[in-house]
Amino acid sequence: QLVLTQPPSASASLGASVKLTCTLSSGHSSYAIAWHQQRPDKGPRFLMKLNSDGSHNKGDGIPDRFSGSSSGAARYLTISSLQSEDEADYHCHTWGSGTYLVFGGGTKLTVL
Amino acid sequence: QVQLVESGGGVVQPGRSLRLSCAASGFSFRHFGMHWVRQAPGKGLEWVALIWYDGAKKYYADSVRGRFTISRDSSTRTVYLEMNSLRAEDTAVYYCAREGSGYDSVDYWGQGTLVTVSS
Repeated sequence: QLVLTQPPSASASLGASVKLTCTLSSGHSSYAIAWHQQRPDKGPRFLMKLNSDGSHNKGDGIPDRFSGSSSGAARYLTISSLQSEDEADYHCHTWGSGTYLVFGGGTKLTVL
Repeated sequence: QVQLVESGGGVVQPGRSLRLSCAASGFSFRHFGMHWVRQAPGKGLEWVALIWYDGAKKYYADSVRGRFTISRDSSTRTVYLEMNSLRAEDTAVYYCAREGSGYDSVDYWGQGTLVTVSS
C-alpha cells in the first residue's frame, strides 16, 4: 500500500535552514512527489515536483531558498534563510498517473 | 495567471445534498485534469475525486464513491462536485486543484469552500 509519512512538526530559528522529510512506503521508492505549502487559513500552494533522482521543478515564483533532494525512499524539502512567512504546514503528495492522489499527514513548521 | 475559484459551500443537514463549483481561468481548461481535495478541521489533506481533461474518466476515494459525482463543463470552464447523502465526516474545506500536464502532480489550487454537515 502506497503511504507517505511526514513528521507532524518541525522547528528552526529565523535565518537558519530546515530540512523536512516525506518518506515513501516500501516498494515505492521510485515515485516522484510534490511539495505544497499551506499558510494559516489559506489554501495550499504548489512548491515543487521532486523526482527520485533529486531533480525538481518549482512552481511559479517560488524563491531559490526552497530546494528539494532525494535519497532512497526519502524526499526532502530544504528551506534556507528561514523567514517568518515560512511558518506554515508543508504537505507532500504522490499520484497514480491519471488516477488518484495520496497525501502525507503534513508537517507543521514553526519558525522560532 | 491561473485562477481556481470554488463556491457552493455552506451548512447542510446530514443526508442532504450540495453541489460545489470551481471556476477556472488563465489556462487552457480543456487540456487539464481536475481534482477535488478536502481538509477536515485541524486535519491533513484528503483526495476526493479526479476527472480527466476530456471527462472520459473519473476516479473517487473510497470514502465518497457512490455518494459524490465529479463533472466538468468546458464551455463554462467549470468543475463540479455533486455531494449526496452527506455525513458529519464530510465536513471540510473543499479545494479544487489542477492536475499538471501529462497526468502529473497538482500544480495549482483554489482557495477552498467550507462545507459543514450538521443538524
